[in-house]
Amino acid sequence: NAGVTQTPKFRILKIGQSMTLQCTQDMNHNYMYWYRQDPGMGLKLIYYSVGAGITDKGEVPNGYNVSRSTTEDFPLRLELAAPSQTSVYFCASTTLPGVDSPLHFGNGTRLTVT
Amino acid sequence: DAKTTQPTSMDCAEGRAANLPCNHSTISGNEYVYWYRQIHSQGPQYIIHGLKNNETNEMASLIITEDRKSSTLILPHATLRDTAVYYCIVRVFRGYGQNFVFGPGTRLSVLP
Repeated sequence: NAGVTQTPKFRILKIGQSMTLQCTQDMNHNYMYWYRQDPGMGLKLIYYSVGAGITDKGEVPNGYNVSRSTTEDFPLRLELAAPSQTSVYFCASTTLPGVDSPLHFGNGTRLTVT
Repeated sequence: DAKTTQPTSMDCAEGRAANLPCNHSTISGNEYVYWYRQIHSQGPQYIIHGLKNNETNEMASLIITEDRKSSTLILPHATLRDTAVYYCIVRVFRGYGQNFVFGPGTRLSVLP
């Protein structure tokens, strides 16, 4: 049972480059999330999705875009990478309905922008 | 939104119980308390959650006060592998979005 899978694990980008962080889950979860974690800090929500075709902004959405064409996949797009986007990015998912269902996290993508 | 307050760091002797407190004085009646931990830079790992009643599973126990304004996570016999950052989270409802709001957490060091 793979759970939530993120690729790549590591990436170095130059300023102004673009990339897509991939996230897929095999648990048929409707809710999916993207978080970023800066060194020594907690997680901040970037975007989330409540189902295919439906996305919404979180706490820190600027500089990012998302799409949700399928239940399984929730890619995060960085269009013009900036040093401030150096961080560890985590994707997570949870089921619907009900509120007593935990978030399942991937193992993260460590991104450095230089 | 309900916020949580946790101590920045705690130490615990190996084999002893680790008691991690969390304050959530603005929690609403239908909001659950969740606990996660993060070892090094791995993805956060789910531990336990509850609404009103105390809960126990194979990893930990969760004690929620009667007024629900605070809770305590108990690791009954801490091991070195329990050294991690522990997050207390109140699940926030925004429309049909069910978001988890993470604070900075408590860094637990289990000492030999």
